[in-house]
Amino acid sequence: AAGVIQSPRHLIKEKRETATLKCYPIPRHDTVYWYQQGPGQDPQFLISFYEKMQSDKGSIPDRFSAQQFSDYHSELNMSSLELGDSALYFCASSLAAGDTSYEQYFGPGTRLTVT
Amino acid sequence: GIQVEQSPPDLILQEGANSTLRCNFSDSVNNLQWFHQNPWGQLINLFYIPSGTKQNGRLSATTVATERYSLLYISSSQTTDSGVYFCAVRYGNKLVFGAGTILRVKS
Repeated sequence: AAGVIQSPRHLIKEKRETATLKCYPIPRHDTVYWYQQGPGQDPQFLISFYEKMQSDKGSIPDRFSAQQFSDYHSELNMSSLELGDSALYFCASSLAAGDTSYEQYFGPGTRLTVT
Repeated sequence: GIQVEQSPPDLILQEGANSTLRCNFSDSVNNLQWFHQNPWGQLINLFYIPSGTKQNGRLSATTVATERYSLLYISSSQTTDSGVYFCAVRYGNKLVFGAGTILRVKS
């Protein structure tokens, strides 16, 4: 079965640089979520999109932005990178219909290292 | 916001032993998921279990939504079961994770 695809899998950037992470949801899933997992921490919600509109926002820094495109893939843009941005970034996808809650499926993650 | 607490925080088992992991949550939820994070960092879906009991091989899970807890049972543990087990509850649009249980299975 098709899974969530994330690219790149590993990324090394220097402080103050920018990074773009990409996410391709499971086919027919219309909702995408982004999570950040720091070393030794649990994943923390950043932002989500339903039908290309932002649906919820968590503790996402103003330096980060994201969008969902017409083919439902999503990109997380990160600017002015800081050492503390080093983390594992997960994308997840699900079906969503009104208030019905569907299972979220996670991609393999992008490991970002800021030096 | 909602609080999600997992216990125990760490667990060391001998191969073949059984274990029970617990997840308590502070508010009503309409979705609860259990994940296994392997040593390579991948989050693997184990169960989607807002209520009731499910079984998948050596693993089973029970959620008692009215009492706000869920249990994950691992039987006949294997070294490949090692990793971090997270429960996560849906709150609004997002999943809120517990701090996880680190499981080490020794051969």
